[in-house]
Amino acid sequence: SQQGEEDPQALSIQEGENATMNCSYKTSINNLQWYRQNSGRGLVHLILIRSNEREKHSGRLRVTLDTSKKSSSLLITASRAADTASYFCATDEGISNFGNEKLTFGTGTRLTIIP
Amino acid sequence: GAVVSQHPSRVICKSGTSVKIECRSLDFQATTMFWYRQFPKKSLMLMATSNEGSKATYEQGVEKDKFLINHASLTLSTLTVTSAHPEDSSFYICSAYRIDEQFFGPGTRLTVL
Repeated sequence: SQQGEEDPQALSIQEGENATMNCSYKTSINNLQWYRQNSGRGLVHLILIRSNEREKHSGRLRVTLDTSKKSSSLLITASRAADTASYFCATDEGISNFGNEKLTFGTGTRLTIIP
Repeated sequence: GAVVSQHPSRVICKSGTSVKIECRSLDFQATTMFWYRQFPKKSLMLMATSNEGSKATYEQGVEKDKFLINHASLTLSTLTVTSAHPEDSSFYICSAYRIDEQFFGPGTRLTVL
């Protein structure tokens, strides 16, 4: 399987600004998910958007999905220092041998919020 | 709810030894768990899919005799890195599948000297 690409690889912005990260993928998907990972820690699930949805909101997060372009974006509004982390998109790659989803992760964006 | 734990969080071992990492779903049953590997500043790479009561399915390029997976119960999967070498040093993360979401453990950092 091939990983998706995330853009940019690294992003530094001032606290209070908005941060936008993009994800492109290669296969047809059932859904796309965004995760956050603080350095050396596990993943925190942020939001899931299904293939028949185009936009979804959760608090300060806004996710868009364009299945024709095989791309998604994650917007974090009014960024805070605590948002500093790596952000990954993940797509299901269809059904595993056992009938459950396998996830393929993007390369990730390292976001740094400057206080 | 939906908490997944991993033990240990960090382990240092000598080359040639075996290391066991546990992944537990604390408040739900998971028939399927996944094991990932992550190198520094890189993304997660799926190693294998673990199903309770069945043999694990390994991704291409992952040696099943080196990375032994046992899904002993509906709340526990273990990954054993056998005859560890320095190149096995990595961050290993498990996830437990429930409904249509994967819940991730906090990870285990393995350092092989």
